[in-house]
Amino acid sequence: KQEVTQIPAALSVPEGENLVLNCSFTDSAIYNLQWFRQDPGKGLTSLLLIQSSQREQTSGRLNASLDKSSGRSTLYIAASQPGDSATYLCAVASHAGKSTFGDGTTLTVKP
Amino acid sequence: ETGVTQTPRHLVMGMTNKKSLKCEQHLGHNAMYWYKQSAKKPLELMFVYSLEERVENNSVPSRFSPECPNSSHLFLHLHTLQPEDSALYLCASSQVLAGPQETQYFGPGTRLLVL
Repeated sequence: KQEVTQIPAALSVPEGENLVLNCSFTDSAIYNLQWFRQDPGKGLTSLLLIQSSQREQTSGRLNASLDKSSGRSTLYIAASQPGDSATYLCAVASHAGKSTFGDGTTLTVKP
Repeated sequence: ETGVTQTPRHLVMGMTNKKSLKCEQHLGHNAMYWYKQSAKKPLELMFVYSLEERVENNSVPSRFSPECPNSSHLFLHLHTLQPEDSALYLCASSQVLAGPQETQYFGPGTRLLVL
């Protein structure tokens, strides 16, 4: 059974800092890994999807990496802004249509 | 209207009530999902539909009954719920079920409180 762990559970940084969020998973036989953002009481917004055959994906100030052999992914956020404050969720798809989510990292970026 | 919509956004019900949650996607997708998000727990997959056929039922109690009448609509019928069923219920869709590059698009959720 796939297990997904995200560290840290919460993170508070001053505006402008670069930061890294971590995701680890137990079963390396994955379809893809996806990072989502969730604002309080809202649905999830997809940020980046890394296919099993890929090592990283980039979108603007976000960069996600994937190391299947070690069961790890990182989400790097450059030059953080207060608007980046949200909960970031990592989801690992073990096969088509079935994703296992981590508990999330709640990020607060202080002005 | 675009994207994935869910109604109602908030619902309070007693344990003997029967209610339904509705999800509609305007993206032309063929796969739809129900998730449950409880406080201090990871998001849990409940049901998956592909081309209106249920392909995943993640050991969900029978007091939750999904229905997918067409590829654009997904319902979750609720009856005799328990207080521990209080949670945010999220609907999602994707273009197709298979494929490593499939992104899921989520609705805003229905916040359910069972008294």
